[in-house]
Amino acid sequence: SAVISQKPSRDICQRGTSLTIQCQVDSQVTMMFWYRQQPGQSLTLIATANQGSEATYESGFVIDKFPISRPNLTFSTLTVSNMSPEDSSIYLCSATLLAGGGTGELFFGEGSRLTVL
Amino acid sequence: DAKTTQPPSMDCAEGRAANLPCNHSTISGNEYVYWYRQIHSQGPQYIIHGLKNNETNEMASLIITEDRKSSTLILPHATLRDTAVYYCIVRANTGTASKLTFGTGTRLQVTL
Repeated sequence: SAVISQKPSRDICQRGTSLTIQCQVDSQVTMMFWYRQQPGQSLTLIATANQGSEATYESGFVIDKFPISRPNLTFSTLTVSNMSPEDSSIYLCSATLLAGGGTGELFFGEGSRLTVL
Repeated sequence: DAKTTQPPSMDCAEGRAANLPCNHSTISGNEYVYWYRQIHSQGPQYIIHGLKNNETNEMASLIITEDRKSSTLILPHATLRDTAVYYCIVRANTGTASKLTFGTGTRLQVTL
C-alpha cells in the first residue's frame, strides 16, 4: 500500500492569491493525479502529473490556472493560481504504486480543503 | 471509460447486507469494474475490482453479471462505519494504471 500526505490540509485564502499544495508518497509510484472535489460534488480529474514533463490536463483545466510539478517519482505539487471563491474545493492527490501487481489501485491523500474569500 | 449508473442513495440496517447496484451497459471487453468509497472528509478508498468473475476480499464481494453489463457490491454485515459514498467505476487496466473517472456514486446510510 501507499500513504499519501498532503500539505496543507486546509487553508483560507484571499481572492487573487495563489496557493501551492504539496503531495508526498511514501512509496515509488507510477502515475500521480490531481482531483478537485467541489462542495457536495463528486471528484473531477484536473490532470495527470508526469515526471519530468508537463502535466496532462483534462478538459476545462489549464496550466496557467493549475500549474503542476512532479520532480521525482514520489512528490508533486499543484498550484491554484489567482484564486476566486469558485476555487473553494477539496483538492486530492492520488497515485498508483510502481509495483502494483497490475491491480491499478489508486491511493488517495486526505485532501487539501481550500476556502477562498 | 464507460459510463456507470448508480442509485443516488440507499439505506441499510446495521448488521444486514448492503447490496449496491451499478449499471455499466457500455463496458468494453478490456475494462474492469472498480469500487471505491469515500467516507465523509476523507479521501476515496479502494474496495475491490473485477473483470468478469465474482471477487471477494476482506471488505466486500463483487458480483458481475455474465454479460458484464451490471454489477453489485455486497457489504455482508454493514456497520455504521460503512456509511459513505460508494463509487462504481469502469476502466481499462493497463497494468501501469490509468486515470479514474468518478460518477456521482451512491450515498449509503447505515442505520441502527
